Amino acid sequence: AQSVAQPEDQVNVAEGNPLTVKCTYSVSGNPYLFWYVQYPNRGLQFLLKYITGDNLVKGSYGFEAEFNKSQTSFHLKKPSALVSDSALYFCAVRDIPGGSYIPTFGRGTSLIVHP
Amino acid sequence: DAGITQSPRHKVTETGTPVTLRCHQTENHRYMYWYRQDPGHGLRLIHYSYGVKDTDKGEVSDGYSVSRSKTEDFLLTLESATSSQTSVYFCAISDIAEPLYGYTFGSGTRLTVV
Repeated sequence: AQSVAQPEDQVNVAEGNPLTVKCTYSVSGNPYLFWYVQYPNRGLQFLLKYITGDNLVKGSYGFEAEFNKSQTSFHLKKPSALVSDSALYFCAVRDIPGGSYIPTFGRGTSLIVHP
Repeated sequence: DAGITQSPRHKVTETGTPVTLRCHQTENHRYMYWYRQDPGHGLRLIHYSYGVKDTDKGEVSDGYSVSRSKTEDFLLTLESATSSQTSVYFCAISDIAEPLYGYTFGSGTRLTVV
């Protein structure tokens, strides 16, 4: 079974500071991991994904995520937050092999960047 | 969002009435998905389609049915709407089962059942 947890409902950060949005996962095999962002009144947009290889994945809008197998985590990071990064962020996971080819999404984390 | 349109964008309906939401795509993608988004639950899969007339259930399919008679349209029907189906519904598409850049989502339909 594949599952993902986003332990924080909300993350607050000041503009210019680094940000981290946390995600942990559970799979039987190996994970494919994804981050999506949702701006107000919009659908989700793909940010980045990890399949294999380098544990640090770079994505859109300056975001990156670090895969840590021993901690079963895939935290989203950005060195310097912008007010425009304020949005809802979703982590998703797919279990390889054997799991559904459709990822399971987390509950989402609201990121608020203060000016 | 380019290539995918959901209609209506907003709807208020009464308990017990049937409701159909439409997802229309112009990308000729094979896979289409219906999700609902609720606070505290995130995004949950209702039904999905892997081709014309090929559909399957997701994790929260009770009370919902779908149809896909042509590639571009995926309809979600609430046979008899209940207040628990008040939600924001998102459609998503992908060209292959494992898209390189993830799913493309529509802008959503906000459904209120009173």
